[in-house]
Amino acid sequence: EAGVAQSPRYKIIEKRQSVAFWCNPISGHATLYWYQQILGQGPKLLIQFQNNGVVDDSQLPKDRFSAERLKGVDSTLKIQPAKLEDSAVYLCASSLVLAGTYEQYFGPGTRLTVT
Amino acid sequence: KNQVEQSPQSLIILEGKNCTLQCNYTVSPFSNLRWYKQDTGRGPVSLTIMTFSENTKSNGRYTATLDADTKQSSLHITASQLSDSASYICVVRPEEGSYIPTFGRGTSLIVHP
Repeated sequence: EAGVAQSPRYKIIEKRQSVAFWCNPISGHATLYWYQQILGQGPKLLIQFQNNGVVDDSQLPKDRFSAERLKGVDSTLKIQPAKLEDSAVYLCASSLVLAGTYEQYFGPGTRLTVT
Repeated sequence: KNQVEQSPQSLIILEGKNCTLQCNYTVSPFSNLRWYKQDTGRGPVSLTIMTFSENTKSNGRYTATLDADTKQSSLHITASQLSDSASYICVVRPEEGSYIPTFGRGTSLIVHP
């Protein structure tokens, strides 16, 4: 079974530039999550999708971050414009369904450096 | 506010020794608690999961315990190996609402030869 795919793996941009990350979840997984993990900290949920609908985006800085999952499969996360404090690893995860004991499977992450 | 606190923040042990990591949480009502292992540069991978009614779960040399009354969990690693060097993250999922899991900050474990 293929895992969660993310690209790119690494990205370096200057502040005020824009950047986009792509995630392809495990086939058949209805729930998709985007997390921000700052060095030395646990992942922080940015947005959670159930199919192509947003379940929770309360911690997404909507003035600069946006995310979509148009067809309920792949997802993109965009930052525009980037700030220095956005330097982090962006993790995508998917699970079969929203609730219960279903495991979240994580991708390898995209390491973003904003200079 | 749902919170998950982990201790210690970091730990260094010698290969072959045992260690125990702690997790305290305030998530309520509680559905399940997972321990994840995150190797450097990779995404977290689930080690164990426990629901409210379970108080211990093993996965090889990893044993997790849960005390739902005191809202505490521990992860015990037996006969540590160099490959155990990683961050260990405690994650608690609520029983209701949007079921958003709360992550701890993790314990960084370094195993020296």
